[in-house]
Amino acid sequence: SYELTQPPSVSVSPGQTARITCSGDALPKKYAYWYQQKSGQAPVLVIYEDSKRPSGIPERFSGSSSGTMATLTISGAQVEDEADYYCYSTDSSGNHGVFGGGTKLTVL
Amino acid sequence: EVQLVQSGAEVKKPGATVKISCKVSGYTFTDYYMHWVQQAPGKGLEWMGLVDPEDGETIYAEKFQGRVTITADTSTDTAYMELSSLRSEDTAVYYCATTRPQDSSGYSLGYWGQGTLVTVSS
Repeated sequence: SYELTQPPSVSVSPGQTARITCSGDALPKKYAYWYQQKSGQAPVLVIYEDSKRPSGIPERFSGSSSGTMATLTISGAQVEDEADYYCYSTDSSGNHGVFGGGTKLTVL
Repeated sequence: EVQLVQSGAEVKKPGATVKISCKVSGYTFTDYYMHWVQQAPGKGLEWMGLVDPEDGETIYAEKFQGRVTITADTSTDTAYMELSSLRSEDTAVYYCATTRPQDSSGYSLGYWGQGTLVTVSS
């Protein structure tokens, strides 16, 4: 079955740029979405359709996609950005949703 | 304001069936797919499947095929997820999620319920 691959963890100091990658064979043709999940809370959409930012999401969050890799970038990461981040897309058929394994972002 | 309100926590014995509800408000229920997502304790998110409330069509992830049934009741604007033959590995939080109007794909998950904890234990 189709898989999206993320690094298990990323660590940065406050103010640095954090980049979280997501690789998948169908990403050249399918949108990537990114979700932030803090402990005990439901996921929150932070990037949709590869690079669009929902209203209310800080400008330091951005997304890009090239070839088989999508990237979530947090420019000037803040302590409050510490969370698990998941990429999400569909398989090549477009019929099944798929999440990446998640990346734990540490900001300290 | 869009709201997805899920039913409360459940405790089930192995082999039993659980049915969770997700009542929506603030948008037209039949306009967007309703998805369900599983999250086991300390684990990642896993897409389970979806229902199109307009016609009841469903698509399930291979992992859950045969054990999961997702339905939609348009008279009450409520979606349901039923999982049968429960085992300890099904202990998880289950979320319903749907699409925002501004998204171009019905697979975008912009609105989420609060989650329902299902515990499977003898």
